[in-house]
Amino acid sequence: AQKVTQAQTEISVVEKEDVTLDCVYETRDTTYYLFWYKQPPSGELVFLIRRNSFDEQNEISGRYSWNFQKSTSSFNFTITASQVVDSAVYFCALSESNFGNEKLTFGTGTRLTIIP
Amino acid sequence: KAGVTQTPRYLIKTRGQQVTLSCSPISGHRSVSWYQQTPGQGLQFLFEYFSETQRNKGNFPGRFSGRQFSNSRSEMNVSTLELGDSALYLCASSPQGSSGVNNEQFFGPGTRLTVL
Repeated sequence: AQKVTQAQTEISVVEKEDVTLDCVYETRDTTYYLFWYKQPPSGELVFLIRRNSFDEQNEISGRYSWNFQKSTSSFNFTITASQVVDSAVYFCALSESNFGNEKLTFGTGTRLTIIP
Repeated sequence: KAGVTQTPRYLIKTRGQQVTLSCSPISGHRSVSWYQQTPGQGLQFLFEYFSETQRNKGNFPGRFSGRQFSNSRSEMNVSTLELGDSALYLCASSPQGSSGVNNEQFFGPGTRLTVL
């Protein structure tokens, strides 16, 4: 069975600080996909990144970066120089690779508050 | 392209009633998934439709059902509503093709259902 653990329930940092959100996953599949989504107060889930299990390269997109380590089954997300607009709930998710399986298994989310 | 749209945005029902929620995917997307989000259980997968066929189903009772039309629009129905069905219901669409690659899912704003 698949499982995603986001141990940090809530994090608060002062604006401009860096912050890392942790994600640990469990799966028996050798091929799988990992995702991060952002849910602002409006409620809509916003896609941030998708990574497949064969691509362990870290990725950077502006102030966002992701560290994927298969050895520790982790897919952590770092925001550099945080801004108030980054305040939201962030979800890590996992899906199997089988064609026809679009099911996302989500973690419980991390509520990030950026203090101005 | 227009995003995923869901109607209605808010709904209040009483126990025992039934409800139908609607989702219009992004143009060209053939896969539509439904998720339930509650404070206690988090984000949980309900079911997924592709080409008018249910491909996957989560662990929800038979009171939860859905369908997809030929234009990929989807509806979700909940019969005999219970207080515990109060939740944010999110619809997501994906450009699932034949390659077997799990593409990112794009979410709508959700329908907030309150059962009294």
